[in-house]
Amino acid sequence: ETGVTQSPTHLIKTRGQQVTLRCSSQSGHNTVSWYQQALGQGPQFIFQYYREEENGRGNFPPRFSGLQFPNYSSELNVNALELDDSALYLCASSEMGARYGYTFGSGTRLTVV
Amino acid sequence: QKEVEQNSGPLSVPEGAIASLNCTYSDRGSQSFFWYRQYSGKSPELIMSIYSNGDKEDGRFTAQLNKASQYVSLLIRDSQPSDSATYLCAPLGKRQLTFGSGTQLTVLP
Repeated sequence: ETGVTQSPTHLIKTRGQQVTLRCSSQSGHNTVSWYQQALGQGPQFIFQYYREEENGRGNFPPRFSGLQFPNYSSELNVNALELDDSALYLCASSEMGARYGYTFGSGTRLTVV
Repeated sequence: QKEVEQNSGPLSVPEGAIASLNCTYSDRGSQSFFWYRQYSGKSPELIMSIYSNGDKEDGRFTAQLNKASQYVSLLIRDSQPSDSATYLCAPLGKRQLTFGSGTQLTVLP
């Protein structure tokens, strides 16, 4: 059984650019959630995907978008990057309903300069 | 009022002591509750889950839940320096986990 994998591990982008982060969910998990974690804060919910559709969204602007693929892997896209987008981006997979919690990937550290 | 509030810490305890971490939540609809441990620079790791009022023990960890008071806690017995980390409380809402800001725990040798 494989865990959640994310790529890349680190990324440096310039303000105004676009970025795509990738996530492969744990075997048997059909739901993927994305979180943003700023330094010293808890993870903040961005959105969740189930069966290739967005299934819930946090308080993030539309320039944060995502996709889920038939194999349950997922992408997070951020357009028009701002300095405040610098954070650790976490992907978490779960069974639908998440009764047993989320399994997190190791994260992507995004720095916007 | 924040959705999930944790004692902000930092919390320091000597090795071998009991560390007590507290959390209150606002969503009365939450039925499942999770504690995650996060080492500096790493991603959160699930350490405990609790679904019913009362206590749940797993090794050195005990989670306590009181839904009427909207309160959940985590006790770590015989604390070890390797327990030094940030502990995140996360109730499960309608669709997603909502995290507190975490409590930073340092166990002093």
